Amino acid sequence: EPEVTQTPSHQVTQMGQEVILRCVPISNHLYFYWYRQILGQKVEFLVSFYNNEISEKSEIFDDQFSVERPDGSNFTLKIRSTKLEDSAMYFCASSDGRLAVRTDTQYFGPGTRLTVL
Amino acid sequence: LAKTTQPISMDSYEGQEVNITCSHNNIATNDYITWYQQFPSQGPRFIIQGYKTKVTNEVASLFIPADRKSSTLSLPRVSLSDTAVYYCLVHSTGGGNKLTFGTGTQLKVEL
Repeated sequence: EPEVTQTPSHQVTQMGQEVILRCVPISNHLYFYWYRQILGQKVEFLVSFYNNEISEKSEIFDDQFSVERPDGSNFTLKIRSTKLEDSAMYFCASSDGRLAVRTDTQYFGPGTRLTVL
Repeated sequence: LAKTTQPISMDSYEGQEVNITCSHNNIATNDYITWYQQFPSQGPRFIIQGYKTKVTNEVASLFIPADRKSSTLSLPRVSLSDTAVYYCLVHSTGGGNKLTFGTGTQLKVEL
């Protein structure tokens, strides 16, 4: 069964550093997403990406964040100048993108645990 | 966006059937209901989706009454490995593609 993969599984960084989280969505999917989950809290939407541009973003997704699809398979989340409060699990998801929005199932990756020291 | 309400936690024993009910009183006509499962430190996993009546797959059943103001996820014969958080989401066309997760129901299955 196709699945979303993410690397690394755990990233430790110093405050102020830049990190890039990587995702390989399911191969024929067109919509990509990033979510995050701070320990003990809800899963929160960050951004969706379609046709090589941001489709929607939340208020969390400010100028500190950026996304990119550098090639035909990877989807990345860059966090500049990391802060302590950026420590969280970051989940990538993808969906077919050809279906009606309300039935376009999103499939999540295993996540990257980001720890900012 | 339709707001969902589900119990914070439920306890069960292995082999029992578990039913988790979610209320979504202001669900819109075109909204679908989706359930996800999440284990600790893992990404949410799609379980089942439905619009009305009953949907069944190899993992669960979803019961949706005619007024669609609630839905019930049914897990037959749970095992220890079903211990997880279960999220009920109403996916609205007007809400874009993003999924809005609540706090979910923490299901704990014991021997």
